[in-house]
Amino acid sequence: QSALTQPASVSGSPGQSITISCTGTSSDVGGYNYVSWYQQHPGKAPKLMIYEVSNRPSGVSNRFSGSKSGNTASLTISGLQAEDEADYYCSSYTSSSNYVFGTGTKVTVL
Amino acid sequence: QVQLVQSGAEVKKPGASVKVSCKASGYTFTSYGISWVRQAPGQGLEWMGWISAYNGNTNYAQKLQGRVTMTTDTSTSTAYMELRSLRSDDTAVYYCARAQLDYWGQGTLVTVSS
Repeated sequence: QSALTQPASVSGSPGQSITISCTGTSSDVGGYNYVSWYQQHPGKAPKLMIYEVSNRPSGVSNRFSGSKSGNTASLTISGLQAEDEADYYCSSYTSSSNYVFGTGTKVTVL
Repeated sequence: QVQLVQSGAEVKKPGASVKVSCKASGYTFTSYGISWVRQAPGQGLEWMGWISAYNGNTNYAQKLQGRVTMTTDTSTSTAYMELRSLRSDDTAVYYCARAQLDYWGQGTLVTVSS
């Protein structure tokens, strides 16, 4: 199972919006609405930010939103803040009853 | 609140085995599975497999088949992940996470070095 493809890095200024893409295949992202997004600060465990494509867990800021079109899912962070600087990973359920992660994106707040 | 607390760091020699524990609290253990994910230094996340805490059914990543075993002890709400025939590229932080990866443990660093 190949990793989902994410851009290596995305940057933006405070207050701006950025979007991170996550591209898979019809056997994972395109085939199921089980795409999640995780935020990981250095030395910390990943934190769930979005589940089932576009749902936010309780306590996650509404500045984070998710969507999907075909085999590509996206995470948008609006009103970028310094605390959003972290690594972000997508994941998807697959036709093999497994999960696969994205390659990861480093978000830099300029 | 949901908590997953993992065992401490381990240093192992190549060829040895390691067993990492993950003690769950704050929810009904048998109502959710436990997934294991690892992260090599400076690298991304890798899904290792999943175990049902209800009936013990497992699903392992193909690349780890034959080297990994996941188990649970429902009497103590604890999940275990054992990895055998360790190699240097198994050096990583190992995480447990509840079911669909909604809650995560703090991670356990496993270092494989001669």
